[in-house]
Amino acid sequence: QVQLVQSGAEVKKPGASVKVSCKASGYTLSRYGLYWLRQAPGQRPECMGWISVGTGKRKYSQKFQGRVTITRDTSANTAYMELHSVKYEDTAVYYCAREGDAGIHFDHWGQGTTVTVSS
Amino acid sequence: SYVLTQPPSVSVAPGRTARMTCGGDNIGRKSVHWYQQRPGQAPVLAIYYNSDRPSGIPERFSGSNSGNTATLTISRVEAGDEADYYCQVWDSDTDDVVFGGGTSLTVL
Repeated sequence: QVQLVQSGAEVKKPGASVKVSCKASGYTLSRYGLYWLRQAPGQRPECMGWISVGTGKRKYSQKFQGRVTITRDTSANTAYMELHSVKYEDTAVYYCAREGDAGIHFDHWGQGTTVTVSS
Repeated sequence: SYVLTQPPSVSVAPGRTARMTCGGDNIGRKSVHWYQQRPGQAPVLAIYYNSDRPSGIPERFSGSNSGNTATLTISRVEAGDEADYYCQVWDSDTDDVVFGGGTSLTVL
């Protein structure tokens, strides 16, 4: 079955970078895009960006442009999201999610990675 | 930017029908997707393309979309349906993914 397994919780100081991984299994990775989203406490999810696992093409949401880098390692079936210059307001649960067939929705989600920014 | 509006909360007795709305300008022209999120868990796709159900989602879950309102309907509500429900669309004008603010479903 489709599984997305993310790396563990992180605690970072303001100004640092954080990198979260998402290992995929149970499907042909190159056929689907992978999105990164985050959800601050009590808030709605928000999209950070997308990567085509097959081609490596990337697209970032305007809010995060210049501060986020999404990459993938096809040999390891893993995608990565790195957020730079973190601020207190970046404290959130970060999710990877698989793009559904023929449209922008998310049919499978990772379990989430809690990132806490604290001095 | 495109805005989706959801009521913050809906309450329903077990066995009754819950209806949760998602309002947006001409949302009937867009594809709406719904997610269920139980406390402390990742969201789960509940309805996609307005009314399709992924495998594993009970037939009690259905969706509709017309005019300025999309609706998620849960029939014969059970205690296990208690969760936050988010609607989501893709805004082609801005190439952005948009989520509603979410509705917290309480089963009385």
